[in-house]
This record gives sequence, structure tokens and C-alpha cells, in this order.
Amino acid sequence: GNSVTQMEGPVTLSEEAFLTINCTYTATGYPSLFWYVQYPGEGLQLLLKATKADDKGSNKGFEATYRKETTSFHLEKGSVQVSDSAVYFCALSDDSGGGADGLTFGKGTHLIIQP
Amino acid sequence: GAGVSQTPSNKVTEKGKYVELRCDPISGHTALYWYRQSLGQGPEFLIYFQGTGAADDSGLPNDRFFAVRPEGSVSTLKIQRTERGDSAVYLCASSLIGPKNTEAFFGQGTRLTVV
Repeated sequence: GNSVTQMEGPVTLSEEAFLTINCTYTATGYPSLFWYVQYPGEGLQLLLKATKADDKGSNKGFEATYRKETTSFHLEKGSVQVSDSAVYFCALSDDSGGGADGLTFGKGTHLIIQP
Repeated sequence: GAGVSQTPSNKVTEKGKYVELRCDPISGHTALYWYRQSLGQGPEFLIYFQGTGAADDSGLPNDRFFAVRPEGSVSTLKIQRTERGDSAVYLCASSLIGPKNTEAFFGQGTRLTVV
């Protein structure tokens, strides 16, 4: 079946540091890939997505590139801010037609940015 | 409404009791999803509605779980004979069309505690 593996947290960084949160996936066919973010006290929000190999999703200074050869979708940001502190979830959507219609999520990575 | 609304935000019930969790999706969204998120885990897909019909219920863990969406808007997740293992945050999401790579908007969830 489909699965998503992301790095364990919490990840603690200083403000303006470079961020990478690793995400790898297992899927049949060619899924769409997503990063969702959950800020404290709020619901999950879509951060960015990519629907095919080599696509790059970007939003709010975050980027992730769909790498089919390494089955990865790592999240990066060049300079993090305290306001980026949140839980980040990598997820995939099985577009093959045979899988479940919902998203498959990783366990989440808690990011803490210190001033 | 402005976003996906879930009620109640918290529910404590005794083992063996019946509970109903309500989701009010974004107006006009035809697709609606239920997920369950246990502590330290990512959301797990339960069921997907397209309009009034359950298009995919492959994630429902057993026959104690049931969901309806009779008018294609509000949905209710029903859990019979609750067990302590049902304790989790139940998330609802909706999207304009569905499923696959369309953006899903999440509610803040209902935290269910079975004692």
C-alpha cells in the first residue's frame, strides 16, 4: 500500500537558519504530493503541492521538488522565522485510480524556531 | 461558512456509548472527507463523500463506524459502542471537487475521549 515517511521531530532551529524536512514515499503509479502545515490552535492548511515528477511546489518561502527517482519530496526554506513554528505533514494522493480516495499522511514533524 | 466547522470541539464519552460528530463543510464544496488522527500520528483516511453518496469508505476501521451526508452538505460521523481505542481527533475536510489532487480544507477537529 501507499505510505509516507518523514523525519522525526521535534526539529529545533534558530531564526534565519536553513530548514530541511525530509519526506519519502511509497506508492503505486504516480501520486500527487503535498505538504500541509498545522499552526498552534488551527486546522491543517495546504502549504504547497506538486502533481508530477520534477514539479516544484512553493509558497511562503517554502519549496519542495517532486523527485521520482528518489521517491522524495523534501521541504526546504532558506531562512526560517519564529512564525514558522508548527507541525508539518507530508502527504500523497493516489492518482492511479485503484487506491483510496483520501490522502495518505506522514506522522508529522514538529518544527520549533527559537528567536 | 468561511471554513469547515466541526462540532463539538471536544467530546468525552463512556465506553460502550454512541457518539455523533458533526461536520459543516465550506459552502459549495461537493467533496467531503473524514480522517482520524491519533496522538503522535498523521491523519488516517476514513471515508470520502461525493455529494450525498459515500464514494469510498475503505478507511472505516469496522462496522461500528458509519457516516452520512443526506443532503450533500453537513455530514455526521457516527460511532457505536465506543471503545477506548477510538479516542483520537476526528478531522473533517472538504474540497470544491474531489478527490485526488484538489486542495482539501480542514476543520479544527473534534477531540473524542472514551473513558
